Amino acid sequence: NAGVTQTPKFQVLKTGQSMTLQCAQDMNHNSMYWYRQDPGMGLRLIYYSASEGTTDKGEVPNGYNVSRLNKREFSLRLESAAPSQTSVYFCASSGADSYRSYNSPLHFGNGTRLTVT
Amino acid sequence: DAKTTQPNSMESNEEEPVHLPCNHSTISGTDYIHWYRQLPSQGPEYVIHGLTSNVNNRMASLAIAEDRKSSTLILHRATLRDAAVYYCILRDTRGTGTASKLTFGTGTRLQVTL
Repeated sequence: NAGVTQTPKFQVLKTGQSMTLQCAQDMNHNSMYWYRQDPGMGLRLIYYSASEGTTDKGEVPNGYNVSRLNKREFSLRLESAAPSQTSVYFCASSGADSYRSYNSPLHFGNGTRLTVT
Repeated sequence: DAKTTQPNSMESNEEEPVHLPCNHSTISGTDYIHWYRQLPSQGPEYVIHGLTSNVNNRMASLAIAEDRKSSTLILHRATLRDAAVYYCILRDTRGTGTASKLTFGTGTRLQVTL
């Protein structure tokens, strides 16, 4: 049981390049989330998806797009990377049932460390 | 969103109990109190949550004040593996069928020494 798997683990981009961060969960969870964590700070929500086919903006969505490809997968895309997007990105999932998911714990992946030069 | 206040850092000796405090004076009746921890180079990990009553699980205990304006996470016997950043988070559970988001603060960095 892998839980939440994020790929890649590390990535270096040049300013203006694009890339997609992949996230997959095998817990049959309805809700999925993307967070970023900058040094010495807490996690900030970028986007989330309450269920397959829906996505909503979080606290810091600018510069990012997301796709909920199916129930298992939630990807985060940087169309034109900027140095301000250098961060550690965490994907998470929660809830086995959408009506109880509001209080289900979040399960996190181990992060993607992205550097934009 | 209701906010929480935690000390930036705490220290503990191994095998002693640790009490990690959290203040949340603006908590609303629909807010659950959640605790997560983040070990070095890992994603956050769920520890425990509660609403009004004290809660126990295999990892920790959660003591909630009667007025719910503060809570304490209790690690009964700290080990070196408990060294982490501990986050106290209020989770708004209003509505059903929607993803309830977590808002992380900067947490308390717990250092455990021999």
